[in-house]
Amino acid sequence: AQTVTQSQPEMSVQEAETVTLSCTYDTSESDYYLFWYKQPPSRQMILVIRQEAYKQQNATENRFSVNFQKAAKSFSLKISDSQLGDAAMYFCAYRSPNDMRFGAGTRLTVKP
Amino acid sequence: ETGVTQTPRHLVMGMTNKKSLKCEQHLGHNAMYWYKQSAKKPLELMFVYNFKEQTENNSVPSRFSPECPNSSHLFLHLHTLQPEDSALYLCASSQDWANYYEQYFGPGTRLTVT
Repeated sequence: AQTVTQSQPEMSVQEAETVTLSCTYDTSESDYYLFWYKQPPSRQMILVIRQEAYKQQNATENRFSVNFQKAAKSFSLKISDSQLGDAAMYFCAYRSPNDMRFGAGTRLTVKP
Repeated sequence: ETGVTQTPRHLVMGMTNKKSLKCEQHLGHNAMYWYKQSAKKPLELMFVYNFKEQTENNSVPSRFSPECPNSSHLFLHLHTLQPEDSALYLCASSQDWANYYEQYFGPGTRLTVT
């Protein structure tokens, strides 16, 4: 079965600094998507960014970007110019034609 | 009402009780999902409904019984649960299951089994 591993249970970043959250996955599929979701405290989970496996170019959404290394099966999230509102649980997710898997999450703290 | 709503938000039930969780989406989506979120564990996809048909059941115990009467509503019927079933149960929806669309999540139901 496909697995998604987030090796950093907790991370901390100073406001305005940059932080990178790690994610690795295991799959034998060639057709899949990868996602980062954000779950703020006591609020609903929302999509941060999405990457199609067939695209070599890394996805970017404003201050959020990914480093997608397909051969290494690595999908890290970089948050630039961190803001207090970025504090949340971040989940890496993998989606194939018949499966959806999430990692255990990384809790990000932003220090003022 | 916007997005995905879930009721109740909190539920405490004994192991012999029968209760139901409700999810409603106002997004016009055709796929709905139930997830289990336990502390420090990955979200577990429990059930997938696509156009009202159940397409995935990831080895979920029979004490959890889903129901999808239409594309906007999803229920999770609970009976004879165990304490280890205590968790946050999340509902989500997306345009459909076949394509890799973003999923929209509800706020969850915090379930405690005593």
